[in-house]
Amino acid sequence: GEDVEQSLFLSVREGDSSVINCTYTDSSSTYLYWYKQEPGAGLQLLTYIFSNMDMKQDQRLTVLLNKKDKHLSLRIADTQTGDSAIYFCAEKAGSSNTGKLIFGQGTTLQVKP
Amino acid sequence: DSGVTQTPKHLITATGQRVTLRCSPRSGDLSVYWYQQSLDQGLQFLIQYYNGEERAKGNILERFSAQQFPDLHSELNLSSLELGDSALYFCASSARGALANEQFFGPGTRLTVL
Repeated sequence: GEDVEQSLFLSVREGDSSVINCTYTDSSSTYLYWYKQEPGAGLQLLTYIFSNMDMKQDQRLTVLLNKKDKHLSLRIADTQTGDSAIYFCAEKAGSSNTGKLIFGQGTTLQVKP
Repeated sequence: DSGVTQTPKHLITATGQRVTLRCSPRSGDLSVYWYQQSLDQGLQFLIQYYNGEERAKGNILERFSAQQFPDLHSELNLSSLELGDSALYFCASSARGALANEQFFGPGTRLTVL
């Protein structure tokens, strides 16, 4: 089946690195995503990784994928107060020929000054 | 700003009523997706349209229906509303080809059923 799990809350100090973790169950997932949701706003696509990659870096963001363990992480370097938001991990199931995304329940990142 | 627009931003209605949510995808995007975000169910995929045709169906209730028009905008119709339908409804769109894997979300419509 398709299931995505995330821890619910993470608190860090400004300037530290944040690491948000996610596990998924569908071994046929083709793409894995990280979205950010600020209060009262929609979901902003931060980055995504193809399942045949194990790392992707984009400025302060680093995505690591361990396909064997079905584990995805998002590292935010030099975390700022503006990074406070809910972060969603999502997978695109490889078994279906659609764009359907399966989301985790979201991790609330709190950045303390 | 993702380029995806949704109207209205807020909707308050009563149980048993019917509402229509509207979505305009990014210019040139052929695929439109609808998702529901609620406190108990999280973010759930409802339905996908591609160039006017239904492509995939998720956990969409029979009381809900959607369509995509020739100008590619989409509408989500919710009928016989229940209290549990109160949620944030998002529309997303994606391009074709290699960019089809990027889904861009609109700001959402917050539906409150009283």
